[in-house]
Amino acid sequence: KNQVEQSPQSLIILEGKNCTLQCNYTVSPFSNLRWYKQDTGRGPVSLTIMTFSENTKSNGRYTATLDADTKQSSLHITASQLSDSASYICVVSDEPYNTNAGKSTFGDGTTLTVKP
Amino acid sequence: NAGVTQTPKFRILKIGQSMTLQCTQDMNHNYMYWYRQDPGMGLKLIYYSVGAGITDKGEVPNGYNVSRSTTEDFPLRLELAAPSQTSVYFCASSRNAPTGFPQETQYFGPGTRLLVL
Repeated sequence: KNQVEQSPQSLIILEGKNCTLQCNYTVSPFSNLRWYKQDTGRGPVSLTIMTFSENTKSNGRYTATLDADTKQSSLHITASQLSDSASYICVVSDEPYNTNAGKSTFGDGTTLTVKP
Repeated sequence: NAGVTQTPKFRILKIGQSMTLQCTQDMNHNYMYWYRQDPGMGLKLIYYSVGAGITDKGEVPNGYNVSRSTTEDFPLRLELAAPSQTSVYFCASSRNAPTGFPQETQYFGPGTRLLVL
């Protein structure tokens, strides 16, 4: 069964500090890995998408890495801001080029709280 | 563009009642999806559509129905509501499948919070 495990479940950091969120997956065959940010009471918003051939991708202060060999990804947030307080969701899709849309596995998310 | 819009934002239903959650997107996306998100859990796919007139079941379709008569609209119908359907429902859309090429992201609506008592 495809699984996506995220750690830690929750994290509290001070404003201005860096942090790293982890995502381990057992999805196979691998198509892509996406990171989303979900503010409280809102829908998820895409941060990055990576295929198997990409091992790093940045979006402003967010940098995602991917190790397809160990099936691990991380999301690094630099110089955190209060607005970074949210849930961060890792999503892994399988079967490259398969048009069946029902092949994405969502992690449970990491809740990040940034305090002043 | 408004993106993906959902109505209502919040609803309380009694057990056995029915309702339709509305979802509209103005990005001319072929793919649309309905997910539910229970507290502390990952999103689970209920139904999806790859184009007008074409729908298919996701991971947790029992108790729900969908239709896709136009590209823009993808309503989700709950028949005979049960407490287990208490959740937050998200509609999403994308130009291609998440596993398609080129890689496409999904755009999510703001969600509908449903409470069944």
